[in-house]
Amino acid sequence: SQKIEQNSEALNIQEGKTATLTCNYTNYSPAYLQWYRQDPGRGPVFLLLIRENEKEKRKERLKVTFDTTLKQSLFHITASQPADSATYLCAPISTGGYQKVTFGTGTKLQVIP
Amino acid sequence: EPEVTQTPSHQVTQMGQEVILRCVPISNHLYFYWYRQILGQKVEFLVSFYNNEISEKSEIFDDQFSVERPDGSNFTLKIRSTKLEDSAMYFCASRPETSGGYEQYFGPGTRLTVT
Repeated sequence: SQKIEQNSEALNIQEGKTATLTCNYTNYSPAYLQWYRQDPGRGPVFLLLIRENEKEKRKERLKVTFDTTLKQSLFHITASQPADSATYLCAPISTGGYQKVTFGTGTKLQVIP
Repeated sequence: EPEVTQTPSHQVTQMGQEVILRCVPISNHLYFYWYRQILGQKVEFLVSFYNNEISEKSEIFDDQFSVERPDGSNFTLKIRSTKLEDSAMYFCASRPETSGGYEQYFGPGTRLTVT
């Protein structure tokens, strides 16, 4: 069955450092991989998307990599700030169908001032 | 900036009662979704809706659940006879047909508490 694994433990990082979050998936052949941010009691907010033929994507302080051989995506936040503290969700997306989003369990990031 | 809205923000109901959760998707969007998140767990897909019909549903979405788009703006999720285990946050989402990356726009959620 399809499985999406993210760091189940919370990630604590010092302000200003780079946070790296991992998403591994099995029994998927996604054409895209999306990353969302979720704050407590709020809906997920779309951050970035990377396509299967892209190795890396950047948006401001965010960087995503996508390795279809390893079946892994890495999500980096450089120069992290306390406002980056949230849960980050990855979602591999297959083409076709109606593209429901199947989320991983998420990684809770805490940036310590 | 357009956003998905949901009402109510919090709904408390007794077991066995019917509830209707309401959503107003972004106006030019064509695909609509409901998700739920039980406290401390991951966000789970319930149902997708396109062209006035259900396009996909999960195992969770059993006969107790139904969705409707009663007019051009609202999208509703009905739970006919609520159970304690239906207590969760329910999120509505939408996306435009032309969204090449299929990113979805989520509402703020409705917290459903079944007592």
